[in-house]
Amino acid sequence: DAMVIQNPRYQVTQFGKPVTLSCSQTLNHNVMYWYQQKSSQAPKLLFHYYDKDFNNEADTPDNFQSRRPNTSFCFLDIRSPGLGDAAMYLCATSRPFTGTGLGEAFFGQGTRLTVV
Amino acid sequence: LAKITQPISMDSYEGQEVNITCSHNNIATNDYITWYQQFPSQGPRFIIQGYKTKVTNEVASLFIPADRKSSTLSLPRVSLSDTAVYYCLVGFLQLSGNTPLVFGKGTRLSVIA
Repeated sequence: DAMVIQNPRYQVTQFGKPVTLSCSQTLNHNVMYWYQQKSSQAPKLLFHYYDKDFNNEADTPDNFQSRRPNTSFCFLDIRSPGLGDAAMYLCATSRPFTGTGLGEAFFGQGTRLTVV
Repeated sequence: LAKITQPISMDSYEGQEVNITCSHNNIATNDYITWYQQFPSQGPRFIIQGYKTKVTNEVASLFIPADRKSSTLSLPRVSLSDTAVYYCLVGFLQLSGNTPLVFGKGTRLSVIA
């Protein structure tokens, strides 16, 4: 009964070859996040959606794009992966706004991307 | 966003209580304090959230003093399986819902047998 599902768990791509990572949720949450996490580092926020409202972090490279065709699905596109983009990519959702706090975020298992 | 400071790492023996303190001197009136736990090769997991005083759940307790400039996550009687990175987050979900969820460096807890 996984609530945030990321596919695939492991992805190998060639240097410069576009790759898409996917995330789906069964929680019907408004907010979805994409993070990049490199070894021994904290998750780094790339962008987030509130419904279809897209918010890009200032330091997210243009090489990273995202799509959210509906509430349940969100995609991370890396247009031209470089060796430095090898990392774990995490998708998360958070519960609908209730007027208090940050809300609880639910994370997927992540997709580990290898660039060769 | 509030500036967060927490220890980089901590060690503890099994069965001990562990307290991880997070400093957030410029916390805003509407900000809440939230802690996440992350095991290797997994996404972070929500542990606890609070605004003031004390919050307790089945996993941990969160102590927040009156001035709210710091908070302490308390893990009772840790076991080896509590070895993880613990992140303190401070913020408020804005009315627009447009809130970035930003992680600091976290505290790496190592539990030793």
